Amino acid sequence: AQSVTQPDIHITVSEGASLELRCNYSYGATPYLFWYVQSPGQGLQLLLKYFSGDTLVQGIKGFEAEFKRSQSSFNLRKPSVHWSDAAEYFCAVAKYNQGGKLIFGQGTELSVKP
Amino acid sequence: DGGITQSPKYLFRKEGQNVTLSCEQNLNHDAMYWYRQDPGQGLRLIYYSQIVNDFQKGDIAEGYSVSREKKESFPLTVTSAQKNPTAFYLCASRGDRAQHFGDGTRLSIL
Repeated sequence: AQSVTQPDIHITVSEGASLELRCNYSYGATPYLFWYVQSPGQGLQLLLKYFSGDTLVQGIKGFEAEFKRSQSSFNLRKPSVHWSDAAEYFCAVAKYNQGGKLIFGQGTELSVKP
Repeated sequence: DGGITQSPKYLFRKEGQNVTLSCEQNLNHDAMYWYRQDPGQGLRLIYYSQIVNDFQKGDIAEGYSVSREKKESFPLTVTSAQKNPTAFYLCASRGDRAQHFGDGTRLSIL
């Protein structure tokens, strides 16, 4: 069965430090992959998406992600974290043979130390 | 501004009562979705609709119903058959192969 795993439930980084959030997927075909961010009590905002082509994709707010087929991974990175990046981050894969439904990971909560 | 509007932001349900959550979009998207979010469980799909007057059950449809009479609107009814309705409900629509979300409705039991 298709699934998405985010191994880290909670990560704390210092402001200005680099960030990497891990995402592993299980999907038979070429995956359509996404990263979303959610602030408390809010909806999800799309950070970036990967469909095909260049395996390093750029998103909003200075985030990027790299698709590695050999490792079934789609890790999210940011070179320098800002306090406003504290939020919950979700990785997801789309199933287009089921109406484009998204399968989400459990989420990673990011805290930023001053 | 184009977007997805969910209302109300907070909703309270009494035992045995049905409640309806509103979702409206002005993005001209064909596909719309309802997800339920519980702490520590990520998001799970309740129902989705790819076109007006058609919808399909998702992974956790029991105790919920939907309608899609207009392209812009995809209301979700939480029926009394849903025994654990307390959750955060998110509506989304799909455009440019990506889903875009509303700000959610938090449903609680009185």
